[in-house]
Amino acid sequence: DAGITQSPRHKVTETGTPVTLRCHQTENHRYMYWYRQDPGHGLRLIHYSYGVKDTDKGEVSDGYSVSRSKTEDFLLTLESATSSQTSVYFCAIRPGQGLVNEQFFGPGTRLTVL
Amino acid sequence: GENVEQHPSTLSVQEGDSAVIKCTYSDSASNYFPWYKQELGKRPQLIIDIRSNVGEKKDQRIAVTLNKTAKHFSLHITETQPEDSAVYFCAASSQGAQKLVFGQGTRLTINP
Repeated sequence: DAGITQSPRHKVTETGTPVTLRCHQTENHRYMYWYRQDPGHGLRLIHYSYGVKDTDKGEVSDGYSVSRSKTEDFLLTLESATSSQTSVYFCAIRPGQGLVNEQFFGPGTRLTVL
Repeated sequence: GENVEQHPSTLSVQEGDSAVIKCTYSDSASNYFPWYKQELGKRPQLIIDIRSNVGEKKDQRIAVTLNKTAKHFSLHITETQPEDSAVYFCAASSQGAQKLVFGQGTRLTINP
C-alpha cells in the first residue's frame, strides 16, 4: 500500500469548526496530493505538494489550505468546515522522478460536517 | 486544461462476458493514461496504464487501447468475474504535468 496512512479515518464535526486531516508517507516521495471524492464527480484535486513548503492549488481548492513542513507529512486544513465539504478525502503519492504521473492512494478519510 | 470524459457511468454484464469502458481526453499533449479500480469502501488501486508511445497493453484479462488521433482510450475486461464488480476510473496526464485529471467513474456490476 505504498506506505501511506491517513488520520483520522473517520470524523464527524460541526459547521464552522476547523478540521485538519493528516497524510503520512514513509518512503520520502517528493509529490503528495489531496483529493476529494463525491458521487458523480470522481476524484477532484484539492491541493498538491512537490516538496517541503512547496504547494499548489488544484481544481477545488476554495475553503482548504495545506502545509508540508516535513517530507513525510502533508496536512489538509478546513479552516471553517461547511456541509458542502462532507466527502471522502484521499491522499496520494507519486513515486520517483519519472516522466509519468503514476499515483498511489492512501486509505481515505470519511468526513461528515453536520 | 485537460478534461476527461468517461462512459458509461454504469455498466452491467453477465459473468463471463466482456466489459468495455471508454474515455476521451482533450489535451493532445497528454501522454500517460492510467486506470484505477475502486471496490466499495476501499481506496482506488492502479490496475493498468498506457503511455502514448504504444497503442495497446494487456495484463491477463484486462487490456487498454489508445487512439491518439481520436483522443480516446478504453479499458477492456474479458471473461468477467464477480470480483471485477467495482467502480473504475480513467485518468490522463501530460509529460511534465504534476496533476492527473480523472474521469467521473464507471460502476461495473457483474451478474452471476
